[in-house]
Amino acid sequence: RKEVEQDPGPFNVPEGATVAFNCTYSNSASQSFFWYRQDCRKEPKLLMSVYSSGNEDGRFTAQLNRASQYISLLIRDSKLSDSATYLCVVILTTGTASKLTFGTGTRLQVTL
Amino acid sequence: NAGVTQTPKFQVLKTGQSMTLQCAQDMNHEYMSWYRQDPGMGLRLIHYSVGAGITDQGEVPNGYNVSRSTTEDFPLRLLSAAPSQTSVYFCASSYFRDTDTQYFGPGTRLTVL
Repeated sequence: RKEVEQDPGPFNVPEGATVAFNCTYSNSASQSFFWYRQDCRKEPKLLMSVYSSGNEDGRFTAQLNRASQYISLLIRDSKLSDSATYLCVVILTTGTASKLTFGTGTRLQVTL
Repeated sequence: NAGVTQTPKFQVLKTGQSMTLQCAQDMNHEYMSWYRQDPGMGLRLIHYSVGAGITDQGEVPNGYNVSRSTTEDFPLRLLSAAPSQTSVYFCASSYFRDTDTQYFGPGTRLTVL
């Protein structure tokens, strides 16, 4: 099993739709989780952190399910500008060392 | 602030050539790292540095060297390029450590023939 797995997509959704992506992780000791956004042929940029209690930033909601070992990203009222690849990042810290593992990304295409 | 800058944007090398990818940041970040991104694979850590004069290997260090003589600069050197090193290379920095928000440079697209 991969350490971090994402459905590569693409997810094709019409503008205004709600779409959700999941990211599963294999190590139950993982402590920190993030979502990054990567536009085509650009660098990844932080979208949001994922907190145990869940968090919301405008149209974006991130949640963590420790029991089932996955994080999710929900995008409401999709915009054309949301078209991008969404990368999840899982961090495992042991002692003073940390290991960041990036998922391969889920591609979202929002259409008119 | 320019953030994280990388040069060159594109590079084509022949097998066996060496070159240095440049990375600089002006945010006074202590932590810097190099990743490569290949289709169907997540970003993989090549080398990282927790401060000037300190570097360490990541997940895929073979064939690459780094140095960190200043806080601002973190060049990545390909010793003898191989086709397997064809990839997109991203430099990243963060304030203090790898668990902080990573700020990525625009990337270098490298092709090795």
